[in-house]
Formats: sequence, structure tokens, C-alpha cells
Amino acid sequence: SQQGEEDPQALSIQEGENATMNCSYKTSINNLQWYRQNSGRGLVHLILIRSNEREKHSGRLRVTLDTSKKSSSLLITASRAADTASYFCATDGGSGNTPLVFGKGTRLSVIA
Amino acid sequence: NAGVTQTPKFQVLKTGQSMTLQCAQDMNHEYMSWYRQDPGMGLRLIHYSVGAGITDQGEVPNGYNVSRSTTEDFPLRLLSAAPSQTSVYFCASSLTGGGLWYFGDGTRLSIL
Repeated sequence: SQQGEEDPQALSIQEGENATMNCSYKTSINNLQWYRQNSGRGLVHLILIRSNEREKHSGRLRVTLDTSKKSSSLLITASRAADTASYFCATDGGSGNTPLVFGKGTRLSVIA
Repeated sequence: NAGVTQTPKFQVLKTGQSMTLQCAQDMNHEYMSWYRQDPGMGLRLIHYSVGAGITDQGEVPNGYNVSRSTTEDFPLRLLSAAPSQTSVYFCASSLTGGGLWYFGDGTRLSIL
């Protein structure tokens, strides 16, 4: 069954605004990752945050992790039309020997 | 840098036909996996491998077979295609199971 659940399912914002997506998961984890999928393409890794980290930055991306609430958020600041894509969180379920388990994703539309 | 290569990109089958989806990676990754992506369902794990000669089932393995005779290749076989297997199939690879995963661009499969 799916480990992560993203919220909201869809998000539409104006260019320049910030976009926040949330992810909840069920079991213990070693790390949590965020991926991006452009229409018709495969997933591309954005950022990995380990279970002992609370916040991580990469360019315009900011990820937080709250292991006590089993939740994470992805913030994209100053969004651009090119950020339009689906965003997925993925967890390892606490094991380093199995593939990632993905949520259903958030579809982000950034309107120019 | 080819990364993860999937072939074919598109395929139409008739119910009952069999076929093999090809996946190859040139990054010397031990871990490989197959996912299917359906609207509103996110990515669901079909089968995965932690090294040559080792495979295991994921969340939705029924109707699919895999083998891993080399590090580079991880083909997915549909034994007797059914309309319920209409989906987009993604292959992914990783150096370590809990690290970053790299995805191919997918095979879009329609079964009539």
C-alpha cells in the first residue's frame, strides 16, 4: 500500500507565489525524498532529507520533516511557469533494501 | 550519459498477448525496480531487484514476471495481457536502495 499521501491533490497558483505541498507517511523511515514529474516524462529526484534532519534547502526548494507527526512539506518559493509538474514524496519504509514507496502526488500548475 | 533507458516508448497489445518491456541502465546500479502509474493512483511497485540474480515482488506483482541476469538489464514480462494492465510503466535504478533513484521516461502500454 502507498506509504505517502500528498496534500493537496492539485494546486494552482500565479507565477511569483510560493507553493506548499504536504506529505504524510505511515511507518518509520530512514529518509524521505521528493521527486518531480513533468508531463509525459519520468520522475526526477529533487531533494532527500534524512530522518535526523528537520529542514533542508536546495535553491528555491525548502523541505521540512517532522518525524513525530510523520509528515513533510515541500515549499517552492517564487514559483515559475516551468515549475508546473506533479510532485511526489517517497519513503524507504525504514529499510535500505527495498525501493521507494510513493504517494499519489500533487499536481502543481503555475500560471504566468 | 544514457541513465535509464526504456523501450519501447509506446505499445498497443491485444488481450492475451505477451510482451517484454525492456529496461537498461549504464550506471552500474545494483537496485532496479518496476512501477506502474495509473491516474489518481500514483506509482505502485511491481517487482524489484537488489542485484543480479535476485528479484522480489512489490505491491502489484500479479501478471508480471521479471529476471535479472545482468546488472544492467531488468526486463518486465507480461505473460497474458489484460485490459487492467493498461498503464504507464516506469523502470528505475539506484546505487543503494535508500538513496537517490533514477527513472526512465516510461513505456505507455495500451491493451485492447
